[in-house]
Amino acid sequence: AQSVSQHNHHVILSEAASLELGCNYSYGGTVNLFWYVQYPGQHLQLLLKYFSGDPLVKGIKGFEAEFIKSKFSFNLRKPSVQWSDTAEYFCAVKLVLLGTGFQKLVFGTGTRLLVSP
Amino acid sequence: NAGVTQTPKFQVLKTGQSMTLQCAQDMNHEYMSWYRQDPGMGLRLIHYSVGAGITDQGEVPNGYNVSRSTTEDFPLRLLSAAPSQTSVYFCASSPDSFYEQYFGPGTRLTVT
Repeated sequence: AQSVSQHNHHVILSEAASLELGCNYSYGGTVNLFWYVQYPGQHLQLLLKYFSGDPLVKGIKGFEAEFIKSKFSFNLRKPSVQWSDTAEYFCAVKLVLLGTGFQKLVFGTGTRLLVSP
Repeated sequence: NAGVTQTPKFQVLKTGQSMTLQCAQDMNHEYMSWYRQDPGMGLRLIHYSVGAGITDQGEVPNGYNVSRSTTEDFPLRLLSAAPSQTSVYFCASSPDSFYEQYFGPGTRLTVT
């Protein structure tokens, strides 16, 4: 079965520290990959996405992610975090269901990031 | 555009009660879906729709019904609420299978 693993459930960093959140997926076909962020009390927002092309993807707010096909990974990075980056981060893989063409997102369990000022 | 809207934001139900969570989008998206978010489990797909009149089950459909009579609306019905349905429910929409999904603000449901 397709799955997405986020290894770090909780991460605590000080402001200006560098961030890397791991994401691995298990799916043998063509994948589209996403990172969503959920700020406290808010809904999920798209940070960045990878569909094809350059495996280094840049998103909003200084985040980037690198797709490494051989490692089935799509890790999220930010060189210098801010207090406002405190949120929960979800990695997701998009699968297109045969027949309906519906895109199903399979989510990881999320990583809670706390940035202390 | 208001995007994806959900009502109510919070709801408390007693076991056995029924209710409908509302979801609407004003972006003319064909694809709509319902997810539930539980601690340590990420988001799981409940039901989805690829257009008006077409719905199908996701990973965790038991205890929920959906219908899609218009492009804009995709309500989720809890037939007989159970404590296991305590969760945060998110509705999402997308234009087609090539775009990311846009999420609503969520409904926090507690079943006692």
